[in-house]
Amino acid sequence: DAGITQSPRHKVTETGTPVTLRCHQTENHRYMYWYRQDPGHGLRLIHYSYGVKDTDKGEVSDGYSVSRSKTEDFLLTLESATSSQTSVYFCAISPTSRTNYEQYFGPGTRLTVT
Amino acid sequence: DAKTTQPPSMDCAEGRAANLPCNHSTISGNEYVYWYRQIHSQGPQYIIHGLKNNETNEMASLIITEDRKSSTLILPHATLRDTAVYYCIVRVNSGGGADGLTFGKGTHLIIQP
Repeated sequence: DAGITQSPRHKVTETGTPVTLRCHQTENHRYMYWYRQDPGHGLRLIHYSYGVKDTDKGEVSDGYSVSRSKTEDFLLTLESATSSQTSVYFCAISPTSRTNYEQYFGPGTRLTVT
Repeated sequence: DAKTTQPPSMDCAEGRAANLPCNHSTISGNEYVYWYRQIHSQGPQYIIHGLKNNETNEMASLIITEDRKSSTLILPHATLRDTAVYYCIVRVNSGGGADGLTFGKGTHLIIQP
């Protein structure tokens, strides 16, 4: 299995509080992604990174920000959590190649916003 | 991206080969076929991908028809741990990583003991 960890694995937080999720990889892959997965909506891309300090928005980026100060870490921040951000969040990584849909996923973080 | 069609569910006996079909009749020449699976409560797992030729790795084999309008994922000796939802995806390799993965409904494969 690819070396990807996510922390925390589970979190319950209150509406309006900031939340940061961490993705850590040991594979030295260039590309990193944050997705959310919800029943009825499937998998949706939030943000992605194509290198240190290089990030861009995905399909559902509103209310989220990201940072990547080191190759191995990609942080996702919910600036002011809302109930609509209750979801399972997955981090994924991809090797440095043109085959960018070969992605390896972390175990996920289950976030509940009350 | 070309649309894919998969059966909603399939059963397979443990130890037998599981053959999962995918129809992608509108696939274009530069689109790859990818397969992923998701075991309940886990992250999606990459299985295999191919363009024209058949591919094999330690997990599975991918058979793509000569006209590329359909493909079959083969798990040669299915185990109970292969019970999962399997997704067939057709994508152009963009070289930029700008597009995320999107899964359709997939095939729920149930391995029977």
